[in-house]
Amino acid sequence: DTGVSQNPRHKITKRGQNVTFRCDPISEHNRLYWYRQTLGQGPEFLTYFQNEAQLEKSRLLSDRFSAERPKGSFSTLEIQRTEQGDSAMYLCASSLVGAVSNQPQHFGDGTRLSIL
Amino acid sequence: AQTVTQSQPEMSVQEAETVTLSCTYDTSESDYYLFWYKQPPSRQMILVIRQEAYKQQNATENRFSVNFQKAAKSFSLKISDSQLGDAAMYFCAYRSEWYGNKLVFGAGTILRVKS
Repeated sequence: DTGVSQNPRHKITKRGQNVTFRCDPISEHNRLYWYRQTLGQGPEFLTYFQNEAQLEKSRLLSDRFSAERPKGSFSTLEIQRTEQGDSAMYLCASSLVGAVSNQPQHFGDGTRLSIL
Repeated sequence: AQTVTQSQPEMSVQEAETVTLSCTYDTSESDYYLFWYKQPPSRQMILVIRQEAYKQQNATENRFSVNFQKAAKSFSLKISDSQLGDAAMYFCAYRSEWYGNKLVFGAGTILRVKS
């Protein structure tokens, strides 16, 4: 169990640029979640996948945001035409959910996005 | 929609003493889970303790225990024999049993431990 891995740890970009983050979940976990955390606040849910299917998206996830989880393994979160308000920590979490298992979510270290 | 409220932005405790962090939540569901997560500065969020709503017995994990009052929708965390390594942001979180398993977090409580 190597834990949830997120890359990059930090991303600084100019307003209007596109950015992409990657999350590698714990290998046997079938669910993968994305959250956004602004300074001094609790994380807010963005979206989640069960295997490769994206099952829920928050209203926070505007048209500029897109997430994928091809083949049900790693996931990417892309933000197009970044805005100042996108500056935040983006957290990924994974869990194993099934008929007999409903484990808590394990979090990665996050990717901190700063928009200049 | 479910909401989670942590009314203490910041708490302090002397090393070796006991501290209690408060959390209240609002839901119309009867089946759910409650969690306390710890987030040290610039470090990964770690699960501290978990409580299933159908269990009347309060969860305990070593020095960490909860006081779960379902009727009052209250879920406090007690840390006994506080250690310097307990200093962190603590988040209370709610998860529905049935709807997507997403976590709903409170705003957090910063815990400072004095030596």
